[in-house]
Amino acid sequence: GAVVSQHPSWVICKSGTSVKIECRSLDFQATTMFWYRQFPKQSLMLMATSNEGSKATYEQGVEKDKFLINHASLTLSTLTVTSAHPEDSSFYICSAPLPPGLSLVKQYFGPGTRLTVT
Amino acid sequence: EDQVTQSPEALRLQEGESSSLNCSYTVSGLRGLFWYRQDPGKGPEFLFTLYSAGEEKEKERLKATLTKKESFLHITAPKPEDSATYLCAVQARGGSNYKLTFGKGTLLTVNP
Repeated sequence: GAVVSQHPSWVICKSGTSVKIECRSLDFQATTMFWYRQFPKQSLMLMATSNEGSKATYEQGVEKDKFLINHASLTLSTLTVTSAHPEDSSFYICSAPLPPGLSLVKQYFGPGTRLTVT
Repeated sequence: EDQVTQSPEALRLQEGESSSLNCSYTVSGLRGLFWYRQDPGKGPEFLFTLYSAGEEKEKERLKATLTKKESFLHITAPKPEDSATYLCAVQARGGSNYKLTFGKGTLLTVNP
């Protein structure tokens, strides 16, 4: 099956610093990728849609200047949490639809990145 | 606004004790309903997609069904390795083609 990877799997950073999370589709191309955030015992909440070659689309209430998304290639999207604060501590998960271009497709999820801001 | 409600929040079963998980949804027009399995500290793993009322899909001990208002995930003779959080999500017609709205999940524990 399709594989989506994330790096790092966990990261601890100090308040005020920035941290970058990578999401890669390993065996398929993804013109679109999605970034979710999941707090303990809560739903996955869509943060933004990452589009290769164009600007990301952010969900209501998500600060685009704080959560920078770059879709550098057909297999890589990055999420940078800028000036991180303890309330940004969460489980960040990316996903990619396969195959791209169809209106109803399976979404394959990465293994997630646990961010802890101290 | 699309909404997905899963029940129960948690379910504890003995090995071999069959049961069902519920996913109730409200969506302007359903394009598809998805079931995922999520293990602790991991990303969701795809299980099923259901497209229309009356549809059923099976995979090993799992069977998913769909009506116009809800979906059930039936677990037959579960084993301890079936312990996980089961997530339900819907995709609506119109708007973003890929956006999924998730429920909070049902935490299933199967005791040996």
